[in-house]
Amino acid sequence: KNQVEQSPQSLIILEGKNCTLQCNYTVSPFSNLRWYKQDTGRGPVSLTIMTFSENTKSNGRYTATLDADTKQSSLHITASQLSDSASYICVVSDRGSTLGRLYFGRGTQLTVWP
Amino acid sequence: EADIYQTPRYLVIGTGKKITLECSQTMGHDKMYWYQQDPGMELHLIHYSYGVNSTEKGDLSSESTVSRIRTEHFPLTLESARPSHTSQYLCASSESRRTSGNTGELFFGEGSRLTVL
Repeated sequence: KNQVEQSPQSLIILEGKNCTLQCNYTVSPFSNLRWYKQDTGRGPVSLTIMTFSENTKSNGRYTATLDADTKQSSLHITASQLSDSASYICVVSDRGSTLGRLYFGRGTQLTVWP
Repeated sequence: EADIYQTPRYLVIGTGKKITLECSQTMGHDKMYWYQQDPGMELHLIHYSYGVNSTEKGDLSSESTVSRIRTEHFPLTLESARPSHTSQYLCASSESRRTSGNTGELFFGEGSRLTVL
């Protein structure tokens, strides 16, 4: 069964600290992996998209890594800010069709305290 | 910022009422989607469309219906709302993956929070 598991479920850190969120997946055949940020009461916003051949991709203070062999991805946030408080969702796309079915994780709820 | 808009953002209605959630995008995307999201849970696909006059049901069974008469517009309708329909509804759109250099990036609207009493 194709699944996407994220850990931890929730995380609290102090402003200025770094953190790493994890995503493990069993989706096959793999097409790409995406990380989204979803602020409370808002729609998800894309942070990164990585294909099979990409190991790392950065977007400002966000750096995503992908290990397609172990089917793991991580999202590293550097020098956290209060505005980073949000749910971070890992989404994996398969290669089964031109639509590319998407499998969503439940997200990691990050809270940054001052 | 993505050019995809949902209205209303919040709606509280009584059981049995008919409601339509509006979704419009100005990016000319072929594909549009409706997702349902409950707190702490993953997004579930309830409807999608490949283009005008094309609509399909998603993974999650839903009593809602959709239409795609125009490329930019993808409304979702509930004929008779029930408390079990209380949820966050997210509309999204993407370009065809056949487009050169495109990875099927998904752009979401801000969501419509529906509460049925």
